[in-house]
Amino acid sequence: QITLKESGPTLVKPTQTLTLTCTLSGFSLSTSGVGVGWVRQPPGKALEWLGFIYWNDAKRYRPSLKSRLTITKDTSKNQVVLIMTNMDPVDTATYYCAHRRTNCGGDCYSVLDYWGHGTLITVSS
Amino acid sequence: SSELTQDPAVSVALGQTVRITCQGDSLRYYSASWYQQKPGQAPVLVIFDEHNRPSGIPDRFSGSSSGNTASLTVTGAQAEDEADYYCNSRGSSGDHVVFGGGTKLTVL
Repeated sequence: QITLKESGPTLVKPTQTLTLTCTLSGFSLSTSGVGVGWVRQPPGKALEWLGFIYWNDAKRYRPSLKSRLTITKDTSKNQVVLIMTNMDPVDTATYYCAHRRTNCGGDCYSVLDYWGHGTLITVSS
Repeated sequence: SSELTQDPAVSVALGQTVRITCQGDSLRYYSASWYQQKPGQAPVLVIFDEHNRPSGIPDRFSGSSSGNTASLTVTGAQAEDEADYYCNSRGSSGDHVVFGGGTKLTVL
């Protein structure tokens, strides 16, 4: 059974760095083809893809946030970490991590089949 | 602005059929997926690779695509289908992901 769980601070001050951890269960990021994505959702707004990390340590980032984002993995702990620098109130959102589907028949690139519950991050002084 | 465009809101009478659309140039080249999100909950994948359903998703949900438009159809909508629906796909460059702005489905 695949599950993901986000953890981290609930409140961050402007200009600070956000560090979120996604703990994986039921699968391993050391398995070929596996990927984990991060998605956020500002209150009342749409989903926004932030980035992916793959089993081979390849990474992809949202172009508009690339300079502020870092995604890393610790396969020994089965965790993925999202780091976002220079936080601003507009970054207030629920942050989700999700498992990228590995069996689609076609293109799995953007398919997120298991999601964590999400964690609300508020950026405020 | 999003690379994928969805109507903000759609309504359907209980038991009737509704189509939710998603438009974008990248859909000419890449397949779309659809997610259902109810208030306070994480999104749930309902359609992937344009028309495939994950296990556990009712067969009243179906997907299709033509040109630059992907569609999610709910045949015989139920009260529990009231939710926000998001499409996603690769972006125009192929190496990033985009979501549509979401469609709020109301079941009357």
